[in-house]
Parts: sequence; C-alpha cells; structure tokens
Amino acid sequence: DGGITQSPKYLFRKEGQNVTLSCEQNLNHDAMYWYRQDPGQGLRLIYYSQIVNDFQKGDIAEGYSVSREKKESFPLTVTSAQKNPTAFYLCASIQTGTGNEKLFFGSGTQLSVL
Amino acid sequence: AQKITQTQPGMFVQEKEAVTLDCTYDTSDPSYGLFWYKQPSSGEMIFLIYQGSYDQQNATEGRYSLNFQKARKSANLVISASQLGDSAMYFCAMREISGTYKYIFGTGTRLKVLA
Repeated sequence: DGGITQSPKYLFRKEGQNVTLSCEQNLNHDAMYWYRQDPGQGLRLIYYSQIVNDFQKGDIAEGYSVSREKKESFPLTVTSAQKNPTAFYLCASIQTGTGNEKLFFGSGTQLSVL
Repeated sequence: AQKITQTQPGMFVQEKEAVTLDCTYDTSDPSYGLFWYKQPSSGEMIFLIYQGSYDQQNATEGRYSLNFQKARKSANLVISASQLGDSAMYFCAMREISGTYKYIFGTGTRLKVLA
C-alpha cells in the first residue's frame, strides 16, 4: 500500500545533539512538507519542497535543516540551535498539478529532550 | 500573507446533534483552497473536505459540509448527527493556488461529543 512512513515514532535528544527524523513516501508525490505541532498552536510549517534538490523555508525554519536528494525522501534534522525541540513532528506530501489538493500525512514522530 | 484563524479552542456537542466549527482566513490571492482535517488522539491526520475559492456550491462529504462565505472570509465546518467517534482535534487549512504549494493550518478546535 502506498503511503508516508515516518521513523522513529519516538525520539529523544540530548542537549547539544543533532537528531534526524526520517520521512519516506512511495506515492510518487512531488511536494513534501514538515510541520511541527505543539499543544494549542496547531501545525506550523518548518520546511517544504516542491521538487527534488529544492526546498523553501516555512514559518519556523530556524534551528532545522532539510535535504531533498531523492523524490521519495525528505529528512528533517533538528539541530542543537533549536532550543525547544520537544514537539510532535508531521511529514506530509502531495502530487502537484493534478487539482487534487489532499495532503497525505505520516503518523508522526514525537521528539523529546532528555 | 495568508492566515488561518480558529477561535474556538474547545467545543462540546451532544451525540446526534449538529455542530459548527469556525474558521476565518485572510489572503490577497483570489484563487485559494480551504481544507478541514481531523486528528484523533492517535495523531494521524484525516482529510475531511475541500472547498475551492471559485466553487459555486458549498462542499459536502457525507456528514461534513463546509459553510463557505467568501465575502466574510469564513469557511466553517458543519458536522451533522455527531457521533462519539467525532471527538478529535479539527484543523482548518489553506493554500493560495497561484502561489507555491504552501499549506498553512489554524490552531485547531478540540471537539468532544457527549453521550
């Protein structure tokens, strides 16, 4: 079955450590997204990518980095510069140019700081 | 800049009754899309309904309908005949069609259906 796989489901980060969240999709979608969800703040856009080897900053990109070397993969690195990384992270994707505006989401990664 | 506002942090509704979840938006783009997603306690995001800014009729999907009032820039979700399984977080979202594929979300409304 086609879908988006996020791993790991739970992740713990030590102070000063970089961690990488994985997002893989086998839907052949062009665009991929990373959102951060905090209680009471909804989903905030971190980064998005419309094509391979290109990505744009969202509203809260500071302290995060991404890469899009392959169409199916869009990993998110939470760097040590992100001082408050504890949150639920959601990856999403969509096939652009089809008129189908439905975003597909992964099941999320809960990141906590030790 | 595009913006989505959901002013109801939490709502209660009696089982089998209808409920309206509010969403207002702001954009200077004449072409845009509006969405609603449901997030149960499991964390998954479930697409509910979509409305395009040029659609003449309000969107409906089963028990879900979108009350689209363009002049007021509102896109309220109406859930009819509420069920216990409707208890969840509900998010309104938007994309400006003539811009990039950037989707933004509101802060959400937590709905609790009472038996």
